[in-house]
Amino acid sequence: KNQVEQSPQSLIILEGKNCTLQCNYTVSPFSNLRWYKQDTGRGPVSLTIMTFSENTKSNGRYTATLDADTKQSSLHITASQLSDSASYICVVDGGSQGNLIFGKGTKLSVKP
Amino acid sequence: DVKVTQSSRYLVKRTGEKVFLECVQDMDHENMFWYRQDPGLGLRLIYFSYDVKMKEKGDIPEGYSVSREKKERFSLILESASTNQTSMYLCASSLRDSAFPYEQYFGPGTRLTVT
Repeated sequence: KNQVEQSPQSLIILEGKNCTLQCNYTVSPFSNLRWYKQDTGRGPVSLTIMTFSENTKSNGRYTATLDADTKQSSLHITASQLSDSASYICVVDGGSQGNLIFGKGTKLSVKP
Repeated sequence: DVKVTQSSRYLVKRTGEKVFLECVQDMDHENMFWYRQDPGLGLRLIYFSYDVKMKEKGDIPEGYSVSREKKERFSLILESASTNQTSMYLCASSLRDSAFPYEQYFGPGTRLTVT
């Protein structure tokens, strides 16, 4: 069964600290993996998209990694800011239209 | 910038009512999608459309229908709203596969409450 599992479910960190969110997937076939940020009450916004041949991609303070062999991805946030408080959703694309498998998200709270 | 707009941010309807949720995108995208998002379940695909008048069922189409008469507009219809359709509804759009991997752009969402 195609699944995307994210951990932890929620995380609280202090402003300025780094953190890493995890994503494991069992989706096959695999085309690409995406990370989205979703602020409370808003639609998701794309952070990164990685194909199987890419093992790291950065977007400002966000760095995503992908290990297609172990089917794991991580999202590392550097020097966190209060505005990073949001849900982060890992999404795996199986390669055909409408075949995005969404994780349940990690809720990150950054405290001052 | 891509803009995906949804007709309402919040909506309250009664059980049995017919409900229309509208989505408009301004980037000439071929693909449009409707999702619902519930706590603890993540986003689930209801329907998607890859062209005008074309539609495909997603994972949870029961109780819903869609309409795409114009390329920029994709409507989600709840024929007879029920309380278990209380949810956040998100619309998204993207280019077709030729722009692989296609980016999906989401609207702000409509929080629907059925009482």
